[in-house]
Amino acid sequence: GENVEQHPSTLSVQEGDSAVIKCTYSDSASNYFPWYKQELGKGPQLIIDIRSNVGEKKDQRIAVTLNKTAKHFSLHITETQPEDSAVYFCAAKKDSGTYKYIFGTGTRLKVLA
Amino acid sequence: ETGVTQTPRHLVMGMTNKKSLKCEQHLGHNAMYWYKQSAKKPLELMFVYNFKEQTENNSVPSRFSPECPNSSHLFLHLHTLQPEDSALYLCASSQVPDGYGYTFGSGTRLTVV
Repeated sequence: GENVEQHPSTLSVQEGDSAVIKCTYSDSASNYFPWYKQELGKGPQLIIDIRSNVGEKKDQRIAVTLNKTAKHFSLHITETQPEDSAVYFCAAKKDSGTYKYIFGTGTRLKVLA
Repeated sequence: ETGVTQTPRHLVMGMTNKKSLKCEQHLGHNAMYWYKQSAKKPLELMFVYNFKEQTENNSVPSRFSPECPNSSHLFLHLHTLQPEDSALYLCASSQVPDGYGYTFGSGTRLTVV
């Protein structure tokens, strides 16, 4: 069935370093890929997304890259700060005809001061 | 208030109890969703409502019963739950019914004893 694999499950980095989280999806019809950040006691919050017609998107310290041939996409956070500590989820969705996102299992990021 | 509000934040219930979870969105969205979040598992879509009409039921057991009286309010009625139903239940809404741009609530942490 459809699934999204996310790695690593936990990631610790020193403040100021970069963090990379990777996801691989199985359904080649997927063409929308959002990333969510979930802080303790809160719901997931959309931080960046990418559609299949672009290979990279950047928003300040956050970037997402997409390789449709290999069916994987990655979240890059540069110059990490303690407030980046959270659980990050990737997801994949077909462009139309479904409300259903396939979520990854999450990555717990710890930024060490 | 703004965003998506869920009440209660925490709920402990016995297996014979009946309780309800409430979600309210103040964003003018027209689609609402219930998700289940369990530890180390991907988020699981439970129900989708589009303009108050249920458009998806993801094989959810009948002990979970959703209700959507209008496009701003969503309920999840619970009865005769099992301990394995303990999880974080998240409500989300989106502007258009194809699921882009989810806004999640903070969730209800449910414990079934």
